Amino acid sequence: QSVLTQPPSVSGAPGQRVTISCTGSSSNIGAGYDVHWYQQLPGTAPKLLIYGNSNRPSGVPDRFSGSKSGTSASLAITGLQAEDEADYYCQSYDSSLSGHWVFGGGTKLTVL
Amino acid sequence: QVQLVQSGSELKKPGASVKVSCKASGYTFTSYAMNWVRQAPGQGLEWMGWINTNTGNPTYAQGFTGRFVFSLDTSVSTAYLQISSLKAEDTAVYYCARDSLSIAVAGTGDWFDPWGQGTLVTVSS
Repeated sequence: QSVLTQPPSVSGAPGQRVTISCTGSSSNIGAGYDVHWYQQLPGTAPKLLIYGNSNRPSGVPDRFSGSKSGTSASLAITGLQAEDEADYYCQSYDSSLSGHWVFGGGTKLTVL
Repeated sequence: QVQLVQSGSELKKPGASVKVSCKASGYTFTSYAMNWVRQAPGQGLEWMGWINTNTGNPTYAQGFTGRFVFSLDTSVSTAYLQISSLKAEDTAVYYCARDSLSIAVAGTGDWFDPWGQGTLVTVSS
């Protein structure tokens, strides 16, 4: 059971927009801690996608965007492409005894 | 460029030990903390803990105390993860991942970048 909750899967057709939610609590996202997102393509290591809630590292297309509100965060992908098919993970800091950094359970994005 | 290169896959028997290495290049190794993340087959990412590469002080997440040890060899810019008394449930890909911010300014807002390519540890008799 992950501290941050993500939907197990989402899907969309090429060109469409999809969103992936990441729901936390008052000890992590709700406490104001930043949320970061990672993309894990099949058989590869996770790669930073969004940092500090809504910032894109150099090289990440502007089709990817992040937002945060209250105890939740969202990753939006517009103009869906086949190459976006991957697992996506959110991450934040948690101030409870459960640990420091916590990840969401991951969301598998399928491009139809 | 900043890069983390991990050691190759390992096949171990239950009860044995394994040591995974993570060699850093492209930056000052002792300026950034190193994290370890586990990914069991078909599962999500699980933060195992981190090591302060300046002081060598490790911090372990709940569930990763006792059999798991983080260490360093700063002379070769390498971090290590050692797991003892291996069990079948330790079978996973283990990643090292650098803190985004230097130790001097790191805090609760850090993210992980870059990541090593991962090391598959398989525990089977």
